[in-house]
Amino acid sequence: DAGVIQSPRHEVTEMGQEVTLRCKPISGHNSLFWYRQTMMRGLELLIYFNNNVPIDDSGMPEDRFSAKMPNASFSTLKIQPSEPRDSAVYFCASSSRGRGTEAFFGQGTRLTVV
Amino acid sequence: GESVGLHLPTLSVQEGDNSIINCAYSNSASDYFIWYKQESGKGPQFIIDIRSNMDKRQGQRVTVLLNKTVKHLSLQIAATQPGDSAVYFCAENADTPLVFGKGTRLSVIA
Repeated sequence: DAGVIQSPRHEVTEMGQEVTLRCKPISGHNSLFWYRQTMMRGLELLIYFNNNVPIDDSGMPEDRFSAKMPNASFSTLKIQPSEPRDSAVYFCASSSRGRGTEAFFGQGTRLTVV
Repeated sequence: GESVGLHLPTLSVQEGDNSIINCAYSNSASDYFIWYKQESGKGPQFIIDIRSNMDKRQGQRVTVLLNKTVKHLSLQIAATQPGDSAVYFCAENADTPLVFGKGTRLSVIA
């Protein structure tokens, strides 16, 4: 298995632009997580899905952030409009169950908003 | 209060020595714990896990100890190697997905 696949690996965008991050979870996993990692706050959970349904989005910082999971093999995290403080590494992870099992992480997308 | 930045604690260990990385978790209802290793430019990678009905679990060169009384978790790495240099995170799981600690940077001195 190729593991969790994220794209792009790096994204540089101007403030105010829309940014879309993509994730393909491991086949057969039914839970998907989006995390954000910064020097200031470490690894923070933004949102997670079980069976393509958003379960908890309380970690999403603002209405500018939205996430979708249209099917079991694809998820997006969108920021519109982007701001410099959104600069971070965004990780997608998947697991075979929502809790009680390890989550497998992708390589992350490093987002820089200038 | 809030720190200006996330200053990771750093553990420097001589190659070949044993390393012990500690973690205090917050939720007494957590029943599953994981240690992850994160190398520069990569996502966190699973090392070892332990459930709350155990107090010790061993893997290859790694051992995790769990003390539920004081809510403490430790990762022991035997015969530390340069490839072990990374940031190590503990994560806990109760009713919500994994909640990560702040991490410890392990630096191996050759």
